[in-house]
Amino acid sequence: GAGVSQTPSNKVTEKGKYVELRCDPISGHTALYWYRQSLGQGPEFLIYFQGTGAADDSGLPNDRFFAVRPEGSVSTLKIQRTERGDSAVYLCASSLTPTSWETQYFGPGTRLLVL
Amino acid sequence: TQLLEQSPQFLSIQEGENLTVYCNSSSVFSSLQWYRQEPGEGPVLLVTVVTGGEVKKLKRLTFQFGDARKDSSLHITAAQPGDTGLYLCAGEDAGGTSYGKLTFGQGTILTVHP
Repeated sequence: GAGVSQTPSNKVTEKGKYVELRCDPISGHTALYWYRQSLGQGPEFLIYFQGTGAADDSGLPNDRFFAVRPEGSVSTLKIQRTERGDSAVYLCASSLTPTSWETQYFGPGTRLLVL
Repeated sequence: TQLLEQSPQFLSIQEGENLTVYCNSSSVFSSLQWYRQEPGEGPVLLVTVVTGGEVKKLKRLTFQFGDARKDSSLHITAAQPGDTGLYLCAGEDAGGTSYGKLTFGQGTILTVHP
């Protein structure tokens, strides 16, 4: 079956603009995670959803970042007033359930560049 | 805040050599995972270890979880050019309530020369 998909694959924007990044998880997966990976670093947790609700958003760096998952499937990560420091690869992952023994399947990421 | 220290950060070896990557923390993890990531792709899970002292083998790769569940190692025997990539360890907080929330190490970039 299809894996996790993310769109767009690349996004170039100007400082101060608003961007939306989309994640399509594997069908039937109830848990969805967003991570951010800077160059030369491991992924950093941002937020995770169990169904439609954000179960843990402790990794969101500030209130410019927001994520939704209105129907418990597709999720959108929204960044307002982008800054150059937001440039990174944004990874989405999904798992059947949010437990430590469930495999998280990662998408290829969206590469965001803020000029 | 939990931290996972991964070492070495870079590893460049010849085909046929053995290598070990280490992942250490002062925190206890309920599980520890190892991923491999290729350029332009997301990480792909290699193995999950959950029991202190656990050893798992995947062909030429051997994974070990420390007795205290604070550290782990990945050992590759007779490395091949196809093993080249970024290797990441990731742990789930043993005392947390956010199941599945992973803390990643900074990664080890492995290059195996033919």
